[in-house]
Amino acid sequence: QKEVEQNSGPLSVPEGAIASLNCTYSDRGSQSFFWYRQYSGKSPELIMFIYSNGDKEDGRFTAQLNKASQYVSLLIRDSQPSDSATYLCAVNLNSGNTPLVFGKGTRLSVIA
Amino acid sequence: DAGITQSPRYKITETGRQVTLMCHQTWSHSYMFWYRQDLGHGLRLIYYSAAADITDKGEVPDGYVVSRSKTENFPLTLESATRSQTSVYFCATSSLAGTDTQYFGPGTRLTVL
Repeated sequence: QKEVEQNSGPLSVPEGAIASLNCTYSDRGSQSFFWYRQYSGKSPELIMFIYSNGDKEDGRFTAQLNKASQYVSLLIRDSQPSDSATYLCAVNLNSGNTPLVFGKGTRLSVIA
Repeated sequence: DAGITQSPRYKITETGRQVTLMCHQTWSHSYMFWYRQDLGHGLRLIYYSAAADITDKGEVPDGYVVSRSKTENFPLTLESATRSQTSVYFCATSSLAGTDTQYFGPGTRLTVL
């Protein structure tokens, strides 16, 4: 069965620390990977996407992709209390024009 | 530019009633999606549409009906609501199904009594 797996958390980190969020996926042929942030009671919003192996940086956020290990992660540097949210990993599992499959999300709590 | 709007934002109904949730987009994106989100299950795809008059089932389509007569609208109908359909429903759009960013509407919180 094709899946996207995330640790549900909660992941608690102190303010200013690096938060590391992980996601594994089942289809080795997957090509597109997305990280969304969802605040409580709100809709998911895109943080960043990554298509190629390696790191992609955007401000305090870094996405890391390792297709051989079928693993994608999101690092949040200098974590702030405002980063407290649920982070959803989404993968295009069939590598075709089929809908994204979302993980169940990891709840992050940044402690001031 | 409103982007994606959903209506109503909150709805309480009774078991057995028909309910329609509306989704409207102003971006002319080809793809539109309906998800439900429940504790412990994450986002689950109900139906999606690649274009007007083209729809396809997602992971949890039973009990739901969709239509797409115009590109900008994608209503979701619960023909006979059940308590298990109490959930938060999100509509989303994208230019492509799997390789492009999906943008989400604000959601509709539906309670079936």
